[in-house]
Amino acid sequence: SYELTQPPSVSVSPGQTARITCSGDTLPKQYAYWYQQKPGQAPLLVIYKDSERPSGIPERFSGSSSGTIVTLTISGVQAEDEADYYCQSVDSSDTYHVLFGGGTRLTVL
Amino acid sequence: QVQLQESGPGLVKPSGTLSLTCAVSGGSISDNVWWSWVRQPPGKGLEWIGEIYHSGSTAYNPSLKSRVTISVDKSKNQFSLNLTSVTAADTAVYSCARDVRDRGIAPWGQGTLVTVSS
Repeated sequence: SYELTQPPSVSVSPGQTARITCSGDTLPKQYAYWYQQKPGQAPLLVIYKDSERPSGIPERFSGSSSGTIVTLTISGVQAEDEADYYCQSVDSSDTYHVLFGGGTRLTVL
Repeated sequence: QVQLQESGPGLVKPSGTLSLTCAVSGGSISDNVWWSWVRQPPGKGLEWIGEIYHSGSTAYNPSLKSRVTISVDKSKNQFSLNLTSVTAADTAVYSCARDVRDRGIAPWGQGTLVTVSS
């Protein structure tokens, strides 16, 4: 079965660009999705189908894909972007099931 | 817009069965989407449990499949989770959500903490 691997933490200063990676062998074949989770809140979808942004998500959030690695980029990071970020994809090699990465804590210095 | 609300006991005894229900409002359980359960142990990451389509088709996490049943009640516009033979490792916030497949999992319910303890 497949796994998704994320760095445990990323730190950036306000106004800088944060890049959070997610790697996995399923990613060349399946789309990736990204979720933002703030303490005590439900996850919020910020990117779908590798690079699409849902309505209401700020333009500073973007996604990209290259082979086995997908990247969530947050340009001009703001203090309110401090949160845990999870990548998600699917494994349909045997039976269909959803995969989550372990999560990355974004700290805004 | 679609909203989801979990309900069920907050405390379950070891070896017992965890049972939760998710009420869907602002949309129909018979929409062309899947309805998911995800859990998050305290201080840890997200774990997908499984999901169901209104027809009754299901998909489960292979690591939990032997203990999980997800069902749908179209008359009440809700779906449910049963997890058997629970242990302390099943203590988590359990959330229900709508999986629109290529458009991602959204929205999510607020989640409910279930503690497994005697």
